[in-house]
Amino acid sequence: GQNIDQPTEMTATEGAIVQINCTYQTSGFNGLFWYQQHAGEAPTFLSYNVLDGLEEKGRFSSFLSRSKGYSYLLLKELQMKDSASYLCAVYNQGGKLIFGQGTELSVKP
Amino acid sequence: DTGVSQDPRHKITKRGQNVTFRCDPISEHNRLYWYRQTLGQGPEFLTYFQNEAQLEKSRLLSDRFSAERPKGSFSTLEIQRTEQGDSAMYLCASSLPDQSGTNPYSKRTDTQYFGPGTRLTVL
Repeated sequence: GQNIDQPTEMTATEGAIVQINCTYQTSGFNGLFWYQQHAGEAPTFLSYNVLDGLEEKGRFSSFLSRSKGYSYLLLKELQMKDSASYLCAVYNQGGKLIFGQGTELSVKP
Repeated sequence: DTGVSQDPRHKITKRGQNVTFRCDPISEHNRLYWYRQTLGQGPEFLTYFQNEAQLEKSRLLSDRFSAERPKGSFSTLEIQRTEQGDSAMYLCASSLPDQSGTNPYSKRTDTQYFGPGTRLTVL
């Protein structure tokens, strides 16, 4: 079966750091994506991890542990515009993405 | 704007009617994907094409759903005899073509770019 778990909601303060966790159990694994989705809009690409370790891109970092079936997205220096849903997705054999339900992040002043 | 466009952006229809959506991918992308997303959930895979060939269909895609990509460029998704349960956001995504000899885990190849979606409401 395919199972991807991430928290439903998180709240953080402007300027702070927040970590959004994602655990997965899938029948195939070629990599893990993080997308950001604002309400009513399309998902936009944030990061893609294939190998274990941390990848940093500006205020956003993503970590992957394939042996543990675990990833996290780290957002630093939070801004109000970071309020959005964050989607964890496993890139499966054959090319499709299997998404978690998304984590709704609220950034408060 | 990712370069993937979808039309229409919104569609309201009555139960039992047929609807058709269109997706225009980024021009050099030869992979095109359809997903469906309901409120509070992540997108669910429906089907995908490599050029004009439909390579995989989800079990979610009942016989009322059909997708085509006749010339390997734009794609259409048709829903026949719509039901209220079909109400959702229909998302299209595209990705760069595979190139033989490149790293199969190439980020250029694997990243899917999404269009703005078509929101379907079935009354």
